[in-house]
Amino acid sequence: DTGVSQNPRHKITKRGQNVTFRCDPISEHNRLYWYRQTLGQGPEFLTYFQNEAQLEKSRLLSDRFSAERPKGSFSTLEIQRTEQGDSAMYLCATDTQYFGPGTRLTVL
Amino acid sequence: AQSVTQLDSQVPVFEEAPVELRCNYSSSVSVYLFWYVQYPNQGLQLLLKYLSGSTLVESINGFEAEFNKSQTSFHLRKPSVHISDTAEYFCAVSEREAGGFKTIFGAGTRLFVKA
Repeated sequence: DTGVSQNPRHKITKRGQNVTFRCDPISEHNRLYWYRQTLGQGPEFLTYFQNEAQLEKSRLLSDRFSAERPKGSFSTLEIQRTEQGDSAMYLCATDTQYFGPGTRLTVL
Repeated sequence: AQSVTQLDSQVPVFEEAPVELRCNYSSSVSVYLFWYVQYPNQGLQLLLKYLSGSTLVESINGFEAEFNKSQTSFHLRKPSVHISDTAEYFCAVSEREAGGFKTIFGAGTRLFVKA
């Protein structure tokens, strides 16, 4: 247990629906990262927060994706109008080294 | 731009045999290097890391990795593997950017230990 929790662990949704994932990091870690991992691949960087400021966004993060980290604590990742290609494991990490268990998204 | 190449997608090996999982990276600046392990249906766990100092780093379960700056490599080794080492192993490289660190992962190497 790394101390980073993610909810839900699994999410099945229909194409076109919106989904939101939550990450609760280790409280004293300022940096929070979101990654996406598809089957057979390594995690791909999506976005990064330093406290509440979103400092970098990957070009993988289309305008359907939005992430927030209010008050520099927990973070949410929302995907609007989901597509089948969004099916993946979404991982949250703090300080690069501590990963949560991930949220597996399946878009039908 | 940085990149990470894990040269083997799968490595089958017999129990108690030695194993080496290869990782090469490209970067123009100083980097931090990591190996992560992912067991089936679980998240990533940090196995070991190189930040500075001794180029040979070890994990608590017998793995070790050596940072070779001239060859830009960070290969992972274990002298005798167990069935329980069967997992996916990811090499990762972090380099400092404005505001923090950005980490790039390799595609992973699936280690399969056979009895």
